[in-house]
Amino acid sequence: GAVVSQHPSRVICKSGTSVKIECRSLDFQATTMFWYRQFPKQSLMLMATSNEGSKATYEQGVEKDKFLINHASLTLSTLTVTSAHPEDSSFYICSARGTAGLAGQETQYFGPGTRLLVL
Amino acid sequence: AQSVAQPEDQVNVAEGNPLTVKCTYSVSGNPYLFWYVQYPNRGLQFLLKYITGDNLVKGSYGFEAEFNKSQTSFHLKKPSALVSDSALYFCAVRLYNTDKLIFGTGTRLQVFP
Repeated sequence: GAVVSQHPSRVICKSGTSVKIECRSLDFQATTMFWYRQFPKQSLMLMATSNEGSKATYEQGVEKDKFLINHASLTLSTLTVTSAHPEDSSFYICSARGTAGLAGQETQYFGPGTRLLVL
Repeated sequence: AQSVAQPEDQVNVAEGNPLTVKCTYSVSGNPYLFWYVQYPNRGLQFLLKYITGDNLVKGSYGFEAEFNKSQTSFHLKKPSALVSDSALYFCAVRLYNTDKLIFGTGTRLQVFP
């Protein structure tokens, strides 16, 4: 139980294009999902909190117009990197908050990550 | 300020020996503490958590962690290390009254055969 998937696992794009990353909770409903960014050999940085049916809450310093988040259903959140540039190259990881009865609401379950390379 | 510290960048241990990965925290309120493991180019896998109750928490793959309130620590332990335990380990704490997790900087565990 508590499986989270991400698609794609790896994407290479040209500078100026947009890239969409999907995060799905496969066997539970997630009212809250989170998007993180991880730089090489560094820890995870929370970018935004995504709540189903409402606007995402972005962390300080994260451009909401550049990193568009949509959480249209209880099992799917998407992150779109708009007009990507080389400095956006990173490892993006999503997580979904567990539900009562599935190891508890306190626990976040993470997807396998998406490696983005912008040329 | 609320924070999590993992003082060791890397821990080396021989297979079969016990291992400890250290974590200390500073938070408001009662801490919710977590350990995650990350294998190369993968997301984080949940190992265990402390919310309340027994200070010794048992988790996946034979790992356990001990919550010590007086020392504000939550060290990860395993009695007998395996080569396959080699990975990056993250300690995390949930910020008081929020859903947000803050992570330590990670500790790379290397288990030698």
